[in-house]
Amino acid sequence: DGGITQSPKYLFRKEGQNVTLSCEQNLNHDAMYWYRQDPGQGLRLIYYSQIVNDFQKGDIAEGYSVSREKKESFPLTVTSAQKNPTAFYLCASRQGGGSYEQYFGPGTRLTVT
Amino acid sequence: AQKVTQAQTEISVVEKEDVTLDCVYETRDTTYYLFWYKQPPSGELVFLIRRNSFDEQNEISGRYSWNFQKSTSSFNFTITASQVVDSAVYFCALRFDTNAGKSTFGDGTTLTVKP
Repeated sequence: DGGITQSPKYLFRKEGQNVTLSCEQNLNHDAMYWYRQDPGQGLRLIYYSQIVNDFQKGDIAEGYSVSREKKESFPLTVTSAQKNPTAFYLCASRQGGGSYEQYFGPGTRLTVT
Repeated sequence: AQKVTQAQTEISVVEKEDVTLDCVYETRDTTYYLFWYKQPPSGELVFLIRRNSFDEQNEISGRYSWNFQKSTSSFNFTITASQVVDSAVYFCALRFDTNAGKSTFGDGTTLTVKP
C-alpha cells in the first residue's frame, strides 16, 4: 500500500537531548513537509523540501533541522535549542504542481521532560 | 499574506442533525487553492476536497457538501445527517499557486456528534 509512515507513534526524551523523527513515503512524491501541531491550534510549517538535497525553512524552523538525501525520506531532528519541543509532529508529501493536496502520515507525539 | 479563519472552535450536535463548518480566507493572489482536511482522533489528516479559485461550483459528495463564494472569501463545509463517525477536527487550508506547496491552515473546528 502506498502512503507515509512515521515512527515511532510516541516518543519520550529528556530535556537537552536531540531526537530524530522518521518520515518515509512510497508515493513517489517530490515535495515533503514537516508540521507541528499544538493543542487547539492549526498546523505550523517547520521545514519543507521540493526536491532531493534541497529544503527550505518554514514559519517555525528555529531549533529544528532536516535532511533530504533520498526522495523517500525526510527526517526531522528536534535539537536541544528548541525551547518547547513537546508537540504532535506531522509529516506530509505532495505530488508536483500547485493544485495537488497533501498526504499526511499518522504523526509522532513527542514529549520532552 | 494569507490567512485562514475558522471562527468556530468547537461544535456539538446530535446525530442526524445538519452542521456547517465555516472557513473564511484572506489572500491577494488571484490563483489559489482551498482544501478541507479531517483529523480523526488517530491524528492523521485525511484530505476531503480541493477547490480552485477559478471554479466556484459547489460540490456534493454523499453527506458532504461545500459552498465556495469568492465574493465573501468563504469556503464552508456542510455535513448532512451527521453521524458519530464524523466526530473529528476539521481543518480548512489555503495555498498559493506555486510549486512550493506551502499551505496556511486554520486553527480547526472540533466537531462532536453525540448519539
